Order: sequence, then structure tokens, then C-alpha cells
Amino acid sequence: GESVGLHLPTLSVQEGDNSIINCAYSNSASDYFIWYKQESGKGPQFIIDIRSNMDKRQGQRVTVLLNKTVKHLSLQIAATQPGDSAVYFCAENHTGRRALTFGSGTRLQVQP
Amino acid sequence: DTAVSQTPKYLVTQMGNDKSIKCEQNLGHDTMYWYKQDSKKFLKIMFSYNNKELIINETVPNRFSPKSPDKAHLNLHINSLELGDSAVYFCASSQGLGTSGGAGYNEQFFGPGTRLTVL
Repeated sequence: GESVGLHLPTLSVQEGDNSIINCAYSNSASDYFIWYKQESGKGPQFIIDIRSNMDKRQGQRVTVLLNKTVKHLSLQIAATQPGDSAVYFCAENHTGRRALTFGSGTRLQVQP
Repeated sequence: DTAVSQTPKYLVTQMGNDKSIKCEQNLGHDTMYWYKQDSKKFLKIMFSYNNKELIINETVPNRFSPKSPDKAHLNLHINSLELGDSAVYFCASSQGLGTSGGAGYNEQFFGPGTRLTVL
């Protein structure tokens, strides 16, 4: 069946370090992936997306890497800041399905 | 200006009651969604509407009935509330749906959530 999951439920990093949040998916038909950030008491907020015809995409301080061979997705945050503390979700979609399937989330804690 | 708004933000009610949650988006998007987030933060799609037409109903009990009076609104009505309905409900919208489209086409914008507590 379809599933999108995360390796680490909680990640604690020091301010200024780089963070890497990982995500595994099982549906080989997945062709679109998104990372969302959810702060306490708020709705998820879009960070970055990537299509399956790419293996890397960069945004401001964030990079998403996609390895289709092993069905793995990662979000890299450079120079992590206290404001990056939140729960991060990966989500996937595939052609023909008109909704996102979310992973279970990773909590990122940034220590000052 | 709030892009996707929901009311109320908190809803506490007794088991067996009927309640509604309202959602409005001012982004001009064609597609709207309802998600349920449980106590473990797991987000699951419930419904999606495209141009007022129901596209997805993810095995949600019949007690849940979405209503889309126009493209900018997608309300959620829940009958005979049960303890297990306690969760945070998020409304979202996107310009399109599926995997086609250019950058940002599928980006879903979420509302602030409605925390429903059934006693």
C-alpha cells in the first residue's frame, strides 16, 4: 500500500548547524513531493516542492533531495535558526490522485 | 489579509451534537480541501472539491458532509459527533490539483485549523 514515513520523529540541533530531515515513501508511482512546516498552533506552511524528474531543488536556506531508486526524500536546512523549530512533514502525490498523502512528521528542535 | 480562514478556531461540544466549521479562501483558487490532524500530528485528507464539485471522499463517515456554496467556501458539517472526532481540522486550497501545472500550481495553502473537542 501507499505510505509516506519519516525515519526520525524528533531531531535536535544546535543553532547555526545544518539540519537534515528524512522521509521514505513506498509508492513507486509518486511523482510529486512537498515539504511542509507546521509551527505550534498553526496550519502547515509550504516550504519547497520537487517533481520526480529532478533529484535536487534549492530554495532559500533549504534544499530538497530526491532519490527515486531508494524512494527517499530529504530536506536540508542550512544554518538552522530558532525560528525553524517546528514539525516538518513530507507529502507525496502521483498522477491520477488529486490529494496529498502526508508522512507522520518530524519535530525539529533548535537549541540556542 | 488572511488567505485561508476558518471559524471557529476552537469548538467544544457534547457527544451527539451537530456542528459546522466554516472555511473561506480569498486566493481565487479552484480547489479546496479538508484535512483531519489527530493527536499524533498525522494529517489525513478527508475531502477535496474542485469548482464546487466533490473530487475526493476518503472513506469519511456519512456523518461528515462538506458543502461548497461557491468556489471560495468549503464548509464542513458534522452530525452526531463522537469522541473519536476530536482532532484539529484544517481547510486548505490550491490553484489546481493533481501533479501537472507549473511552479506553485499544486501548493496547498492551509488555514489556521479548528480544534474540535468532543466531550
